[in-house]
Amino acid sequence: AQSVTQLGSHVSVSEGALVLLRCNYSSSVPPYLFWYVQYPNQGLQLLLKYTTGATLVKGINGFEAEFKKSETSFHLTKPSAHMSDAAEYFCAVSDPGSARQLTFGSGTQLTVLP
Amino acid sequence: DGGITQSPKYLFRKEGQNVTLSCEQNLNHDAMYWYRQDPGQGLRLIYYSQIVNDFQKGDIAEGYSVSREKKESFPLTVTSAQKNPTAFYLCASREQEANYGYTFGSGTRLTVV
Repeated sequence: AQSVTQLGSHVSVSEGALVLLRCNYSSSVPPYLFWYVQYPNQGLQLLLKYTTGATLVKGINGFEAEFKKSETSFHLTKPSAHMSDAAEYFCAVSDPGSARQLTFGSGTQLTVLP
Repeated sequence: DGGITQSPKYLFRKEGQNVTLSCEQNLNHDAMYWYRQDPGQGLRLIYYSQIVNDFQKGDIAEGYSVSREKKESFPLTVTSAQKNPTAFYLCASREQEANYGYTFGSGTRLTVV
């Protein structure tokens, strides 16, 4: 069975500082990996995804993530935080060989301090 | 523009009532999903459907029911058997042969009064 662990349910950074949100996964097969962002009382928006190929993937709003198979990690980063980045972020994993359900982490609430 | 529409955005349920949450998509996606979101627990899968007239239970199906009579529609009924229905409910869809992430609706917040 797949699982996703997001370290840190709450992360605070200063505006302009590096954003690092951690995600580790467990999967018996090479997974597909996703990061989603959620603003209050809204649905989830896809930030970026890894399926195959280049392990460093770039997404919207200046975010990027690197798939590290040896560490079973898919951490999300952004060089310089903006106030508009404040939201909840979810890491998710999909097993390509399964019924293709997404398994989500418990989420990380990002606060950006002025 | 294509997308997923969930309605209503806010819903209040009395004890013992059944309520139905609507989910409609015009993306021509084959697969549709219902998730429940509670604070600090991420998203948990309730039901999913990969084709019309077929659906499967997810991790927390007890107290819920669904139907998939049309490709575009996947309504969720929260029955009186669901003892703790207050939550945020999200509907999603995906092309059957694409593992490239899901498209989500904007959610329905259900509150028991």
